[in-house]
Amino acid sequence: EAQVTQNPRYLITVTGKKLTVTCSQNMNHEYMSWYRQDPGLGLRQIYYSMNVEVTDKGDVPEGYKVSRKEKRNFPLILESPSPNQTSLYFCASSLSPKSPEQYFGPGTRLTVT
Amino acid sequence: GIQVEQSPPDLILQEGANSTLRCNFSDSVNNLQWFHQNPWGQLINLFYIPSGTKQNGRLSATTVATERYSLLYISSSQTTDSGVYFCAVSQWEGAQKLVFGQGTRLTINP
Repeated sequence: EAQVTQNPRYLITVTGKKLTVTCSQNMNHEYMSWYRQDPGLGLRQIYYSMNVEVTDKGDVPEGYKVSRKEKRNFPLILESPSPNQTSLYFCASSLSPKSPEQYFGPGTRLTVT
Repeated sequence: GIQVEQSPPDLILQEGANSTLRCNFSDSVNNLQWFHQNPWGQLINLFYIPSGTKQNGRLSATTVATERYSLLYISSSQTTDSGVYFCAVSQWEGAQKLVFGQGTRLTINP
């Protein structure tokens, strides 16, 4: 089944404890992105990647890191999480510039206390 | 950066009704997509429609790029159509720098 998977789906952590949210797609997509969704602010792009080893900042990259070492994986790293990073996170992928339809993962709900 | 405004913010309808959701954007775009976020939070791609008209069952979408707006039509609404509908745009052909509107929350009552 073609899909984007994220792990974990739910995470409660404490301020300053490094964490990684994994994202994987099995559709051989070139593009991958991370978004956060907050009430009243909608969906905002954190980082995106156009291919292996090619990443760039979205609208809200502060406090986050990403890497794209393999085409199928695009992990989101929070080196020192803070309470303002409590949010619902989505990973998405799309095939190519000519086929940019985005397919989303199920989301990861992160709470930082 | 580009601004995206969706209207109305909320819409409550009875099952069987038709609805029109609007997305206005502030600059020319090469990429416009409509998404449905169901009550369980899952985001589903409905249309990729930077210009022209597309139809998929009871849903159709029209983008008038020269006038900087897009419309999503839902006919014969069903309770499963409930959720939030998002428009997202990018000035690039690919999916980089995709900017989302605030969404329209649609509630379909039985």
